[in-house]
Amino acid sequence: EAGVVQSPRYKIIEKKQPVAFWCNPISGHNTLYWYRQNLGQGPELLIRYENEEAVDDSQLPKDRFSAERLKGVDSTLKIQPAELGDSAVYLCASSLGAEAFFGQGTRLTVV
Amino acid sequence: GQQLNQSPQSMFIQEGEDVSMNCTSSSIFNTWLWYKQDPGEGPVLLIALYKAGELTSNGRLTAQFGITRKDSFLNISASIPSDVGIYFCAGPTSGSRLTFGEGTQLTVNP
Repeated sequence: EAGVVQSPRYKIIEKKQPVAFWCNPISGHNTLYWYRQNLGQGPELLIRYENEEAVDDSQLPKDRFSAERLKGVDSTLKIQPAELGDSAVYLCASSLGAEAFFGQGTRLTVV
Repeated sequence: GQQLNQSPQSMFIQEGEDVSMNCTSSSIFNTWLWYKQDPGEGPVLLIALYKAGELTSNGRLTAQFGITRKDSFLNISASIPSDVGIYFCAGPTSGSRLTFGEGTQLTVNP
């Protein structure tokens, strides 16, 4: 069975440019998470979906970040415009219960 | 917000040694998860614990759900070089938010 798939693996952009990340969760997993991981730290939740509904987005910087999960399957996370401080690894995970399974992440570098 | 405190922050051991690390919280958890993250990869689930006092093994790894429900422990026996990585504890906090600790960086010297 395929795991969580994320793309791209790496992205380098100039500040003020937009960027988007894509995630395809494990088939049948109704919960999808987007995390941001800064160097030397644990992942921090940005947003959690239950099917197509965002049930926890309190830590998503809504002035520049947006996410969608149309049809309750794959999801896109967007940053517009990107800032230098957005450089991090963006991780997607999915779960059926408490156990979340992660993709390989997208390493974003903003220059 | 709720925090998970992991210790130690880093460990440097010789191959063959046993390793112990722990995770504590100021509030009660109903689930503890332990993950390992290799460089450039996402975290991989190692062990899940659901009951206070539970002791669960996965190969050379053993994790325990603390009796107080505010802590958990991970032990690695007879460490090998591929055990190198960052180990995270995690658990669902308020509103089922899966929260992670800051990680324990493990280095194994051959």
